[in-house]
Amino acid sequence: DQQVKQNSPSLSVQEGRISILNCDYTNSMFDYFLWYKKYPAEGPTFLISISSIKDKNEDGRFTVFLNKSAKHLSLHIVPSQPGDSAVYFCAATGNNRKLIWGLGTSLAVNP
Amino acid sequence: KAGVTQTPRYLIKTRGQQVTLSCSPISGHRSVSWYQQTPGQGLQFLFEYFSETQRNKGNFPGRFSGRQFSNSRSEMNVSTLELGDSALYLCASSPLGVESDTQYFGPGTRLTVL
Repeated sequence: DQQVKQNSPSLSVQEGRISILNCDYTNSMFDYFLWYKKYPAEGPTFLISISSIKDKNEDGRFTVFLNKSAKHLSLHIVPSQPGDSAVYFCAATGNNRKLIWGLGTSLAVNP
Repeated sequence: KAGVTQTPRYLIKTRGQQVTLSCSPISGHRSVSWYQQTPGQGLQFLFEYFSETQRNKGNFPGRFSGRQFSNSRSEMNVSTLELGDSALYLCASSPLGVESDTQYFGPGTRLTVL
């Protein structure tokens, strides 16, 4: 039973446009959410996080939005660059500190 | 600071054998977590060690075990290997292992079981 779901296995976007990656979760005990980026042959790299007390967090070109009532979060990348092409993982955690991961969305940014 | 290192990077074993993987966390980090990544299951949490004690455990059989040394280096052991254990094993370290800590991942060990 996937507690964290990334329903789009892949996404293709033109350079300069917005990339929107979505993530849904089922466990209402989750209160901290993270996005990681992974290139082939490398471990995941932390990108941005958001606590459940917020509904938005921004870091440069990356913004994460959290809709607690819908149990949904999204990562916006604006503008998208070819170097952003990677697999993006959404992860969630609660008091037990176990990170529960989605299966990832492969983003391709085309020049 | 040097990043998280994992050795070996690649490993081929046969069914029934056992394997030990090693992880050196970022200097000063006390929490080390292990994950298994497979195409169909994504990243699955194995266990977390903090100050030489297992603090958290995922839903894996007892064939999967680990330990942490006083210098925070960690090892993971898998006994009686099965074909389904073929995966990328990732280690991550964080300063305190609290919820808001960022986990820093190593490059992983690619294990193939034949």
